[in-house]
Amino acid sequence: GENVEQHPSTLSVQEGDSAVIKCTYSDSASNYFPWYKQELGKRPQLIIDIRSNVGEKKDQRIAVTLNKTAKHFSLHITETQPEDSAVYFCAASIRGNKLVFGAGTILRVKS
Amino acid sequence: GAVVSQHPSWVICKSGTSVKIECRSLDFQATTMFWYRQFPKQSLMLMATSNEGSKATYEQGVEKDKFLINHASLTLSTLTVTSAHPEDSSFYICSAQGANPEPGELFFGEGSRLTVL
Repeated sequence: GENVEQHPSTLSVQEGDSAVIKCTYSDSASNYFPWYKQELGKRPQLIIDIRSNVGEKKDQRIAVTLNKTAKHFSLHITETQPEDSAVYFCAASIRGNKLVFGAGTILRVKS
Repeated sequence: GAVVSQHPSWVICKSGTSVKIECRSLDFQATTMFWYRQFPKQSLMLMATSNEGSKATYEQGVEKDKFLINHASLTLSTLTVTSAHPEDSSFYICSAQGANPEPGELFFGEGSRLTVL
């Protein structure tokens, strides 16, 4: 089945700097790649997603890139703020909407 | 966006008892619901997929007799943890999908934190 690997497991950045989180997937049939932000004890919140027919997508300070050949996709957060501190999960979807999640990245933005 | 509600948000029970968690889609009909389990500081692991009116499909390693899933209506799915033990303590989250969704159009419930003493 699908396997999603996510790196790094923790990431500390200074406020205002950029943060990059990377994921790889194994199943070339995957065609949908969402990113979620989860705060402690809360439900995951979709922050951005990308489909396999697109290489890059941007929404204000957040962008996602996808390289289908290499089977990896990345989340980029620019001008980080303390409220960006949370756990971020990537995911890949195959066979419809069954999501396989990465292990998560704890992002700490230091002010 | 669509709203999915889970109840209870947290529950504490004694070892050996059963606990039922409800997942409701409040403003749409959920043809498919997914149940995830999340241990502290870990990722969301899919436990099972349920389609309204049919038996749930369980992921490998998930005991179907221990985690009973019922999806009897288009707005309600339930997860019952039977004979709960401390190792079942976890955060359980459901997500729901309507008919003919866009890829990834999933709506998560708030989650239910189970603590088994």
